[in-house]
Amino acid sequence: GESVGLHLPTLSVQEGDNSIINCAYSNSASDYFIWYKQESGKGPQFIIDIRSNMDKRQGQRVTVLLNKTVKHLSLQIAATQPGDSAVYFCAENNYSGTYKYIFGTGTRLKVLA
Amino acid sequence: KAGVTQTPRYLIKTRGQQVTLSCSPISGHRSVSWYQQTPGQGLQFLFEYFSETQRNKGNFPGRFSGRQFSNSRSEMNVSTLELGDSALYLCASSLAGDYEQYFGPGTRLTVT
Repeated sequence: GESVGLHLPTLSVQEGDNSIINCAYSNSASDYFIWYKQESGKGPQFIIDIRSNMDKRQGQRVTVLLNKTVKHLSLQIAATQPGDSAVYFCAENNYSGTYKYIFGTGTRLKVLA
Repeated sequence: KAGVTQTPRYLIKTRGQQVTLSCSPISGHRSVSWYQQTPGQGLQFLFEYFSETQRNKGNFPGRFSGRQFSNSRSEMNVSTLELGDSALYLCASSLAGDYEQYFGPGTRLTVT
């Protein structure tokens, strides 16, 4: 049968507000996580990473929070700008003999002017 | 430092043909991973090469293969193309398996 396209959750945020994008990861043994931003027609762009020995890491306008207890990752974008409109993915680095990245399905961020 | 480059950027092939895509990683990066991205399935892992050896493989048929050269450049090949192989093929490089992974712009493959 015909496959159904992924329905990406969408977060609409007013320009200048803060955005919070969430991700649930699958493996409690995963010890390294990355957030990516993907604009239409481009490859995913590295935003920020965090290792499992940390629960928070800050970059320029972005903060990643890691809650290992509930296997949850979030990306906070401060003062969201129109250029932040994109699909955001989280990726967990999973070791099972060798390292492999597993990606979430993504969240579409729409910034409203 | 130059980023990950992929060639060609766009490709149109017909069913039954084969195709080879190329990826040049960031200088010094030894790990190269390939992914297929489609609207229906999202980002799916194809395989990873490290120091010319395939270290990891996803759940794709044997029509999908790859290799890595001594300069860390990598190629992937898809034989006997099917319509469902139409996708954005992304290459990503990293220093090693558990370091930051950076993506190239992708090759958009259309199979008609």
